[in-house]
Amino acid sequence: QKEVEQNSGPLSVPEGAIASLNCTYSDRGSQSFFWYRQYSGKSPELIMSIYSNGDKEDGRFTAQLNKASQYVSLLIRDSQPSDSATYLCAVTEEYGNKLVFGAGTILRVKS
Amino acid sequence: NAGVMQNPRHLVRRRGQEARLRCSPMKGHSHVYWYRQLPEEGLKFMVYLQKENIIDESGMPKERFSAEFPKEGPSILRIQQVVRGDSAAYFCASSPRTANEKLFFGSGTQLSVL
Repeated sequence: QKEVEQNSGPLSVPEGAIASLNCTYSDRGSQSFFWYRQYSGKSPELIMSIYSNGDKEDGRFTAQLNKASQYVSLLIRDSQPSDSATYLCAVTEEYGNKLVFGAGTILRVKS
Repeated sequence: NAGVMQNPRHLVRRRGQEARLRCSPMKGHSHVYWYRQLPEEGLKFMVYLQKENIIDESGMPKERFSAEFPKEGPSILRIQQVVRGDSAAYFCASSPRTANEKLFFGSGTQLSVL
């Protein structure tokens, strides 16, 4: 059973701080990694994708991937109250056709 | 360009009834995925379909659940003889190719079983 693990939180950060969200996965052959944001009662929204080791930056978001450690993270700089949501890590299976999701980390940004 | 369309948005059924959830993928997308989300939990994969084919149904319960994606019309997730444990949010997602591409999610159907 392929697994994606996330700390459920909640992770509380003050406005303007950096929020760091972490995710580990069990399928060593996974090739594609995604971060989705989900507001309460809403559908998941893709915010970042990363496919190779290293960092990928997009605005205030930076995704980091370390395949050797089977670890992917998301950094949110200058956190805003509107960033308060559940962040879902998702990983593709090496020999499968689907995304496997973690349970999500609740982020709360306090103004 | 409309996104992934799901209906109904909310569905209430009594135990033993049937639930039918519909999903129309984004234009140009031929791959449809169904996920279930229980309160305070992540998304659990149920089934992956292409037009007229079920590619992977490893997440579908063996009984009462079925899915289809006909040549014409939306994808349908059907739950027969619903039980209270079926109450959840059911999300449909589509992609232009495989799951290695980005998934775009619909607004979901909240199923409540009384």
